[in-house]
Amino acid sequence: KAGVTQTPRYLIKTRGQQVTLSCSPISGHRSVSWYQQTPGQGLQFLFEYFSETQRNKGNFPGRFSGRQFSNSRSEMNVSTLELGDSALYLCASSLYSYEQYFGPGTRLTVT
Amino acid sequence: DQQVKQNSPSLSVQEGRISILNCDYTNSMFDYFLWYKKYPAEGPTFLISISSIKDKNEDGRFTVFLNKSAKHLSLHIVPSQPGDSAVYFCAAIPIQGAQKLVFGQGTRLTINP
Repeated sequence: KAGVTQTPRYLIKTRGQQVTLSCSPISGHRSVSWYQQTPGQGLQFLFEYFSETQRNKGNFPGRFSGRQFSNSRSEMNVSTLELGDSALYLCASSLYSYEQYFGPGTRLTVT
Repeated sequence: DQQVKQNSPSLSVQEGRISILNCDYTNSMFDYFLWYKKYPAEGPTFLISISSIKDKNEDGRFTVFLNKSAKHLSLHIVPSQPGDSAVYFCAAIPIQGAQKLVFGQGTRLTINP
């Protein structure tokens, strides 16, 4: 079974721009979560979607948003990029249990 | 406010010996705990988990122990192998927290031949 895939793997953007990242979960998984990893803050939860509805949200500003489609694929969007948004963005999917399976991540660099 | 803490940033262990990684938490509302392993440029890989109603769970070379009164969990790897060299994260899920994982800062484990 194919794992979680994320596109693109690497991205360079300029301050003020916006970016959209994509995640395809493991087939059959309906829950998709997003995390941000930075050297200073570690791995932090952004939000979780289940059946196209946001079920949980972390403590991030409204510039960070997401959505989930009927096929469980998910996108996250960051508007008005700041230098501090440079990070590895990880997507994880799960079926019914608590175990989440992560994709390889998208490395975003904001210049 | 760091609710899940891994106080050792790094650990070095000889191949074949036991590796013990520790994790402390402050929130008594955590219901489920997980350990992940992460290699550079890859996403975390799920290793093993434990429910708050248990005190031990084993899977092959990996065993997780949970001490609820001390709010402490540990991951034992026996025997340690060179491929175990990676960053290990413990994570916790609060009761009714759905899929919201709260991660520790990670411990870099190095297995020396």
